[in-house]
Amino acid sequence: GAVVSQHPSRVICKSGTSVKIECRSLDFQATTMFWYRQFPKQSLMLMATSNEGSKATYEQGVEKDKFLINHASLTLSTLTVTSAHPEDSSFYICSARSGGDGELFFGEGSRLTVL
Amino acid sequence: KQEVTQIPAALSVPEGENLVLNCSFTDSAIYNLQWFRQDPGKGLTSLLLIQSSQREQTSGRLNASLDKSSGRSTLYIAASQPGDSATYLCAVRPGNYGQNFVFGPGTRLSVLP
Repeated sequence: GAVVSQHPSRVICKSGTSVKIECRSLDFQATTMFWYRQFPKQSLMLMATSNEGSKATYEQGVEKDKFLINHASLTLSTLTVTSAHPEDSSFYICSARSGGDGELFFGEGSRLTVL
Repeated sequence: KQEVTQIPAALSVPEGENLVLNCSFTDSAIYNLQWFRQDPGKGLTSLLLIQSSQREQTSGRLNASLDKSSGRSTLYIAASQPGDSATYLCAVRPGNYGQNFVFGPGTRLSVLP
């Protein structure tokens, strides 16, 4: 299957700092990527849909200014958690859909811990 | 609004057993359905993708079926192994060519050696 790479896998930061997470589709072009947040022992919560060359579409309740998403190319989307606080600590996962039948592929996830 | 449920929430079986995981969705107008597995602290690995026009897909010891009219999909795992222990999630893509998948809560599977 297609490969989606996510970096970093783990990040620890101080409260008030900003953290950027990258999501890359390594062997296919993805016009659309998705960002999810997952709390312990819960399923994925869609945060936003990232479209190459246009603004991201955020789900209800997700702060656009808090979670900045940029999809600058067909293989890269970034999520920046701005002015992070301890409640932003979570597991963030990106995914990308390949063309054709639209199979969804996921990155390995990024564990964010805000002290 | 599409809702996806999975039963059971958790399952523990001895090695070698055949087992069935269930996924139900409320709106039968879907584009496709995908099964994933997630290991603790990891991302999701795609297992099987079933298009709305298909009734089943097979990959190795895995077989997934789809009954759109009843809003159900099952994932059959044959001859389970300890390495199959993981959380299994199903996700439905709406039939209006919507971008977003709707995920079920998952089934936590433990295969005991």
